[in-house]
Amino acid sequence: EAGVAQSPRYKIIEKRQSVAFWCNPISGHATLYWYQQILGQGPKLLIQFQNNGVVDDSQLPKDRFSAERLKGVDSTLKIQPAKLEDSAVYLCASSFLAGGTGELFFGEGSRLTVL
Amino acid sequence: QQQVKQSPQSLIVQKGGIPIINCAYENTAFDYFPWYQQFPGKGPALLIAIRPDVSEKKEGRFTISFNKSAKQFSLHIMDSQPGDSATYFCAARLLISSGSARQLTFGSGTQLTVLP
Repeated sequence: EAGVAQSPRYKIIEKRQSVAFWCNPISGHATLYWYQQILGQGPKLLIQFQNNGVVDDSQLPKDRFSAERLKGVDSTLKIQPAKLEDSAVYLCASSFLAGGTGELFFGEGSRLTVL
Repeated sequence: QQQVKQSPQSLIVQKGGIPIINCAYENTAFDYFPWYQQFPGKGPALLIAIRPDVSEKKEGRFTISFNKSAKQFSLHIMDSQPGDSATYFCAARLLISSGSARQLTFGSGTQLTVLP
């Protein structure tokens, strides 16, 4: 079974520039999450999708961050304009909608450095 | 009250030692408590998990102890090995949105180093 795919793995941009990250979840997983992990901290949920609808985006800085999940599969997270404090690893995760333990499967992340 | 507090921030033990990582929570609506292990450059991966109606769960060398009344839980690693060196995160799950969606809140992480 293929895991959660993310790209790019690394991105370096200057502040005020824009960046986009892509995620392809495990096939059949209805729920998709974007987490922000700042160095030395635990993952912080930015947005959660169920199929192609948003379940929770309360911690997403909507003035600069946006995310979409078209057709309930792939997802894109965009930051525009980037700030220095956006330097972090952006983790995508997916899980089954119902049943089981609701285990989250994470991708390897996209590391963003904002200069 | 969705925070999960984790300690210590870092831990160094000798091979064969038993590192213990502690977590505490406030929200009694949390219904599932997983631990994730993360190696450098990788995403977190589920290690072991427990439900609040169970006081202890063992899987191989990893044990979760759960104290519902104190709202605390801990991870013990028996006979620790250098390959266990990683960052460990506790987490707590909440059912949201009419109970059909789950959301995990993570602790701040513990960087474990097991010396050979």
